[in-house]
Amino acid sequence: LAKTTQPISMDSYEGQEVNITCSHNNIATNDYITWYQQFPSQGPRFIIQGYKTKVTNEVASLFIPADRKSSTLSLPRVSLSDTAVYYCLVAGGGATNKLIFGTGTLLAVQP
Amino acid sequence: GAVVSQHPSRVICKSGTSVKIECRSLDFQATTMFWYRQFPKQSLMLMATSNEGSKATYEQGVEKDKFLINHASLTLSTLTVTSAHPEDSSFYICSAGTTANNEQFFGPGTRLTVL
Repeated sequence: LAKTTQPISMDSYEGQEVNITCSHNNIATNDYITWYQQFPSQGPRFIIQGYKTKVTNEVASLFIPADRKSSTLSLPRVSLSDTAVYYCLVAGGGATNKLIFGTGTLLAVQP
Repeated sequence: GAVVSQHPSRVICKSGTSVKIECRSLDFQATTMFWYRQFPKQSLMLMATSNEGSKATYEQGVEKDKFLINHASLTLSTLTVTSAHPEDSSFYICSAGTTANNEQFFGPGTRLTVL
């Protein structure tokens, strides 16, 4: 399974756009990139998934360059409630493939 | 999205006792369920993968005789921590997936405290 590298922590202020970049140099051809959000003492929550180029949903955008060796999660106009740990995962497509969590990025949003 | 529940949400037990944690997919049939453990300030660590009707596949370093996993139906998997000790105190999280989806759904977690 591809190993991922993310910043340990990031700080932001309410209303700002936050971009969290993840490196996955050894991504395989059939791997998808998925981001999860986790609040303290809760299970992770799916944010977004993509294979290449750009994916956007109601909460975030995911940018994936052509070589797919990195990806960037973009959170528009964050609020205090977006303070959480964000995990980037790389795994084969399909929900029955095991996920290996890296360290994640602790995003702290301040007023 | 689909809902996965865990029971109990928290449990406190004495050292040496066994504790069973249930993971249920409430509105879909889960082909595969996964069990994770998370210590404070750390990431989730995958313990095992279980498919309905077959033996679980454990990750390296996870004792299969200590962490018994049963996946008897497409909606229920159980994790039993046998002869629990204080070092087993942790946050246990399950997830469930189906071949029809790309997304794994995670349960809310179970906080185990062993005294």
